[in-house]
Amino acid sequence: NAGVTQTPKFQVLKTGQSMTLQCAQDMNHNSMYWYRQDPGMGLRLIYYSASEGTTDKGEVPNGYNVSRLNKREFSLRLESAAPSQTSVYFCASSDRRRTSSGNTIYFGEGSWLTVV
Amino acid sequence: EDQVTQSPEALRLQEGESSSLNCSYTVSGLRGLFWYRQDPGKGPEFLFTLYSAGEEKEKERLKATLTKKESFLHITAPKPEDSATYLCAVQATGTYKYIFGTGTRLKVLA
Repeated sequence: NAGVTQTPKFQVLKTGQSMTLQCAQDMNHNSMYWYRQDPGMGLRLIYYSASEGTTDKGEVPNGYNVSRLNKREFSLRLESAAPSQTSVYFCASSDRRRTSSGNTIYFGEGSWLTVV
Repeated sequence: EDQVTQSPEALRLQEGESSSLNCSYTVSGLRGLFWYRQDPGKGPEFLFTLYSAGEEKEKERLKATLTKKESFLHITAPKPEDSATYLCAVQATGTYKYIFGTGTRLKVLA
């Protein structure tokens, strides 16, 4: 059981380049999320998808776009990368149902992105 | 505004020296409070979910408790392998969003 899988693990981009971070989950969760984590800032929500076919902005959406391709996959796109987007990106998923582990959110291993 | 504050920012303990980490929260209505462990270079690893005041959960040397305003993660007789950053998050009722604290960096010395 892989859980949440992200690719790539590491990426270096030049300013202005574009790229897409891929994420897939195999837990049959309805909701998926993209966070970025910066020193001293904690995890900040970029975009989320409450269910297949819907996406919403989070706390820091500027410079990013997302696609909920199907129930399993949720991608994050940087159209024109900027040095301020250097960060660690985490994809996550959760189930809306309140079971024993309820609406717990589960994370992938992260994608380290450097924009030079 | 929904908010999560963790304290202390960093904590150094000797092996076997028990202590507690604090997570204070402000939400309109609590749907769940979550604790995670994060090792360097890794994603957050789920530890506990708490739903209502008075609830407690335990796992090995860790015990999480919840009141209406805060949660504590108690670490009993810690070992060096417990060294990590511990994150707290809340989800408010009526929302799909999770709000995270900035974490407590725990270092346990042998």
